[in-house]
Formats: sequence, C-alpha cells, structure tokens
Amino acid sequence: GNSVTQMEGPVTLSEEAFLTINCTYTATGYPSLFWYVQYPGEGLQLLLKATKADDKGSNKGFEATYRKETTSFHLEKGSVQVSDSAVYFCALLSGGYNKLIFGAGTRLAVHP
Amino acid sequence: DAGVIQSPRHEVTEMGQEVTLRCKPISGHNSLFWYRQTMMRGLELLIYFNNNVPIDDSGMPEDRFSAKMPNASFSTLKIQPSEPRDSAVYFCASSLAGTPGELFFGEGSRLTVL
Repeated sequence: GNSVTQMEGPVTLSEEAFLTINCTYTATGYPSLFWYVQYPGEGLQLLLKATKADDKGSNKGFEATYRKETTSFHLEKGSVQVSDSAVYFCALLSGGYNKLIFGAGTRLAVHP
Repeated sequence: DAGVIQSPRHEVTEMGQEVTLRCKPISGHNSLFWYRQTMMRGLELLIYFNNNVPIDDSGMPEDRFSAKMPNASFSTLKIQPSEPRDSAVYFCASSLAGTPGELFFGEGSRLTVL
C-alpha cells in the first residue's frame, strides 16, 4: 500500500543552520506530495506541495523537490530560525480522491 | 476569515461516558475530514465527507465511533461508550473543491478518558 517514511527526530539545530528533513514514499503511480507543519498547540498547516516529478515546492524559505527516481521529497531550508521550531509532516495524496497519508512527523527544535 | 472551528478544545471524561466533538468547516469548503493524533499511531484518518456525504469511513476504529454531517457547516464525531484508549487529539479539517490534498485544520480537541 501507499506509505510515507520520514527521518526520526528530534532534529536539533542552532539558529541559521541548514535544515534537511528526509522523506521517502511508496506509492503506485505518481502521487502529489506535501509538507505540513504543526506548531505547538495548533493544527497542521500546509507548507508546500508538488504535483509531478521534478516539481519544486517552496514557501517561507522552505523547499522540496519531487524526485521520482529516488521516490523522495526532502524538505530543506538554508537558514533556520527559532520560530521554525515545530513538527513537520510529509504526506502523499492517495487514491482517486482527497485522502492524505501522513508520515510520522519530525520534530525540529532550533535554539538561539 | 474564520478558520475551521472545533469544540471543545479540551475534554476530560470517565470511561463509559458519551463524548461529542464538534466541527464547523470553512464556509464554501465541500470536503471535511476527521483525524486522530496519538504518539503511538501518529495521524490517522477516521472519516471523510464530500458534500456532506460520508465517502470513506474505513478508518473509524469500531462501532463505538460515529460521525455525522447534517449540513455543510457542521459535523460531529461521537464516541459512545468512551474508553481510555480513545484518549487523543482529534482534528477536523476541510478543503475546497479542486484543491486535493490542501487541507485546513482546526486547532483540535484534546480528549482524555480516565
């Protein structure tokens, strides 16, 4: 079946460090891929998406490229801030309708 | 604009009691989702409505769980009777037609069953 695997956290970084959170997927065909972010005490928010191979999604300094050959959608940011501390979820759109399958989430902690 | 509104934000109840969680989706959104989040199992889709009709309830754990969407602006998730293993954060999310995968989540209802 379709699934998403994320790197385990927590990821702890200093402010202005480079961030990579790995995400790989298993799916039939070429599903749309998403990153969602969850700040403490809040619901998830869509961060970025990509709908086809080689697409790059970007938002708020975060980027992720849809890599068909490696079935990956790694999240990157060149310089993290304390305010980026949150849990990040990779997800794929499964099936013929609006069903998202989420990874387990990766907690990011950025300290000054 | 108001986002997805859930109530209550926190609920503490005793085993065997009935629990009703409520959700008001964003106006104009035609899809509504109920998710459950726990440390052990992560985010699980419980049920999905499209135009107020349940499309997929395969994630509903058992008969103790039921969900309704009587109109486009309101949905409930009911647990009867509740058990300690139902303790979790329950999220409601909605989305607009033509934007698959772009969900707007509420702030969640944290349920604790003693």
